[in-house]
Amino acid sequence: DIQMTQSPSSVSASVGDRVTITCRASQDISSSLAWYQQKPGKAPKLLIYAASSLHDGVPSRFSGSGSGTDFTLTISSLQPEDFATYYCQQANSFPYTFGQGTKLEIK
Amino acid sequence: QVQLQESGPGLVKPSQTLSLTCTVSGGSISSGSYYWSWIRQPAGKGLEWIGRIYVYGGTNYSPSLKSRVTISIDTSKNQFSLKLNSVTAADTAIYFCARGWHTSGWYYFDYWGQGTLVTVSS
Repeated sequence: DIQMTQSPSSVSASVGDRVTITCRASQDISSSLAWYQQKPGKAPKLLIYAASSLHDGVPSRFSGSGSGTDFTLTISSLQPEDFATYYCQQANSFPYTFGQGTKLEIK
Repeated sequence: QVQLQESGPGLVKPSQTLSLTCTVSGGSISSGSYYWSWIRQPAGKGLEWIGRIYVYGGTNYSPSLKSRVTISIDTSKNQFSLKLNSVTAADTAIYFCARGWHTSGWYYFDYWGQGTLVTVSS
């Protein structure tokens, strides 16, 4: 299985801050990476696919980059509704695997 | 707007079979453009992909669960289902159904059900 490792596991930030979350794959996955946002008691929501493509309806303050084994999710100016847990997921090969999650908390 | 909704027992006894159904509305499950997946999440933990099915019958399962899992599809009801046998407490989790949408040959989960909690306990 391809292991996905996110860092940090948690981060505290303020409204208006720029935040970057990193995801590393245990082997080359090209650009087959997605980012999801999950709020408590809710299903994950697709934010970014193919490493850098913004899913429909996702605000432009979210962006993704990277290829191969190293990827980043950046939120350019945090809004109150962005405080949540974020997961990366590789779509390169079975079984599809997720990172352990990064919890974004209010400072 | 596509919607997915999980249904099934919330409590299953150890060694028995967990059975869940996902009903799709707002779109046809028979569309050849999508795969249909099950994903689970133990309380307070991360996401684990269980497996997927294609309308024309192809399935793929996580190797860690493959010996216990069956995913099937019923196009007449616009539903797909999960069966997980010989369950233990380790199978206690929120179970999500999700639609797999592809671009450039890779599949991502663009629509999800709200999730249903299944507890394995006697």
